[in-house]
Amino acid sequence: ETGVTQTPRHLVMGMTNKKSLKCEQHLGHNAMYWYKQSAKKPLELMFVYSLEERVENNSVPSRFSPECPNSSHLFLHLHTLQPEDSALYLCASSQDFSGSVQFFGPGTRLTVL
Amino acid sequence: GENVEQHPSTLSVQEGDSAVIKCTYSDSASNYFPWYKQELGKRPQLIIDIRSNVGEKKDQRIAVTLNKTAKHFSLHITETQPEDSAVYFCAAGGEGKLIFGQGTELSVKP
Repeated sequence: ETGVTQTPRHLVMGMTNKKSLKCEQHLGHNAMYWYKQSAKKPLELMFVYSLEERVENNSVPSRFSPECPNSSHLFLHLHTLQPEDSALYLCASSQDFSGSVQFFGPGTRLTVL
Repeated sequence: GENVEQHPSTLSVQEGDSAVIKCTYSDSASNYFPWYKQELGKRPQLIIDIRSNVGEKKDQRIAVTLNKTAKHFSLHITETQPEDSAVYFCAAGGEGKLIFGQGTELSVKP
């Protein structure tokens, strides 16, 4: 599937590193999302962008910084992460912000040492 | 806060049997209820969804029912097959925001 792609697929970083996750959607959608998926926990919504404007920020620590330069691309910038931030980070997109089906990317498996 | 409870957390059935997963939600404004299937190491994929103006929807072996008064909805899989083995997530929401349940790990034994 190439609808929603994410890079890298796997990332190992130290607590002092700075890295970025990238998401790209080829579906012509107007809304994009970042989710965190930890073991034994439900998917946690982190950020929502609609038409390149952030419309939701679920009290995410400032060490996670999203960027949406256009409706096809979404980034998650990471700095000074903690080991408990290790998780699968999933990007999703939907046609619009209002009750549309969300399509997920394959995720980035992040390990913080 | 808004919450979605999903049960059971694990479910093991024999091939050919039916499987039922149930979810309850707290936000009465929710109007969109998708179900996702996530196979090991893969992305969640939508398998069926229902909106609040519909009480039941069916797609081949999969059906979803919604009771808005009681604020619960269920996924029914009939004639289960080994390839149905995966983690299933329910979600409730609208206006772009989805709250996910904790997931149900379904195992179908041949």
